[in-house]
Amino acid sequence: QKEVEQNSGPLSVPEGAIASLNCTYSDRVSQSFFWYRQYSGKSPELIMSIYSNGDKEDGRFTAQLNKASQYVSLLIRDSQPSDSATYLCVLGSWTGNQFYFGTGTSLTVIP
Amino acid sequence: DTEVTQTPKHLVMGMTNKKSLKCEQHMGHRAMYWYKQKAKKPPELMFVYSYEKLSINESVPSRFSPECPNSSLLNLHLHALQPEDSALYLCASSQDRGAPDSYNSPLHFGNGTRLTVT
Repeated sequence: QKEVEQNSGPLSVPEGAIASLNCTYSDRVSQSFFWYRQYSGKSPELIMSIYSNGDKEDGRFTAQLNKASQYVSLLIRDSQPSDSATYLCVLGSWTGNQFYFGTGTSLTVIP
Repeated sequence: DTEVTQTPKHLVMGMTNKKSLKCEQHMGHRAMYWYKQKAKKPPELMFVYSYEKLSINESVPSRFSPECPNSSLLNLHLHALQPEDSALYLCASSQDRGAPDSYNSPLHFGNGTRLTVT
């Protein structure tokens, strides 16, 4: 069983600040990493995919991957109250159509 | 708007009922999934279909019966459920992996069906 660990939070940041969400994983051969946002009672929504070491930016979101350290993170700049949600770190398995979910980090952005 | 459509959005059923959840995608994906999610927990994999064949069954009780009539459709047939089966049921799809060691394409989720078993 692949382990994906996230700090469950809750993480609270003031509006306009940078929110930093972290994820570590145990499977050294995983090559596909995803961040999903899930609002309460809704389904997960893909916000970032990252496959290579380094940073990937999309609007206010930056994903960072360090395979040597088995670490992936998500930075949210200029946090907004609408960013308040649970963020799921997900790994794709190299062995097939299987994905491993972290337990999620609950983020609250305080106006 | 989601490109994976699930119906119904809400379902209340008794323990003796038979009902079905439906999922449809028009993204050309060849892998389709059923997940179950309880409150404050991550989604839990139930079944995976790859090219319309069941490829993963995560030891799900037989009261849940999946069906994949074609590459765009996925059903989950429910019979004799228990109150603890109440949850959000999520359908997802992804491009199937071409070969081991290739990169996964992400999961695309439907809006889910909120199931309550009374």
